[in-house]
Amino acid sequence: GEDVEQSLFLSVREGDSSVINCTYTDSSSTYLYWYKQEPGAGLQLLTYIFSNMDMKQDQRLTVLLNKKDKHLSLRIADTQTGDSAIYFCAGNAGNNRKLIWGLGTSLAVNP
Amino acid sequence: DTEVTQTPKHLVMGMTNKKSLKCEQHMGHRAMYWYKQKAKKPPELMFVYSYEKLSINESVPSRFSPECPNSSLLNLHLHALQPEDSALYLCASSGRQGEAFFGQGTRLTVV
Repeated sequence: GEDVEQSLFLSVREGDSSVINCTYTDSSSTYLYWYKQEPGAGLQLLTYIFSNMDMKQDQRLTVLLNKKDKHLSLRIADTQTGDSAIYFCAGNAGNNRKLIWGLGTSLAVNP
Repeated sequence: DTEVTQTPKHLVMGMTNKKSLKCEQHMGHRAMYWYKQKAKKPPELMFVYSYEKLSINESVPSRFSPECPNSSLLNLHLHALQPEDSALYLCASSGRQGEAFFGQGTRLTVV
């Protein structure tokens, strides 16, 4: 079945760029999503990319998609302490509205 | 307006109690979801409603009973829960690209 993998932890210095990586197994996913979750809060949709695109930029966020390698990344430019959170990537599994989730990457931003 | 509103924010209930969680969205989305999330884990899908009909039940125990009174509202009725059911319960709704918008969740503690 579908699997989505992420590295569990990332630590960066404030002002640096952060790159969070995700790999997935199911090439039938038509959309891939990035969510942010701060402690005690719900999941915030950051951005998403259609599977026939290879890049999407939205202010400080850049999503890169390599379909051949089934690799998705989220780059956060000029990382701030407010970006400290868990970041989940997810893909949709066909038309049944079910999302397949990675385990999440915990991003720590050090002053 | 990309808001999904959940009430209550916190709930403590005994194992013999009956309670309900409520969720509301006004984005015109026709798919609504209940998820369960344990600390630092990805959310686990429980139920999906599509056009007010239950379309996915992920083998959830019958002590959880979903209800969709109309296209804007989703309820989760709880009865005879166990302490291991303590978790963050998240409601979401999704648009045409499957992009799910989440509420802030209900933090449930079963004592």
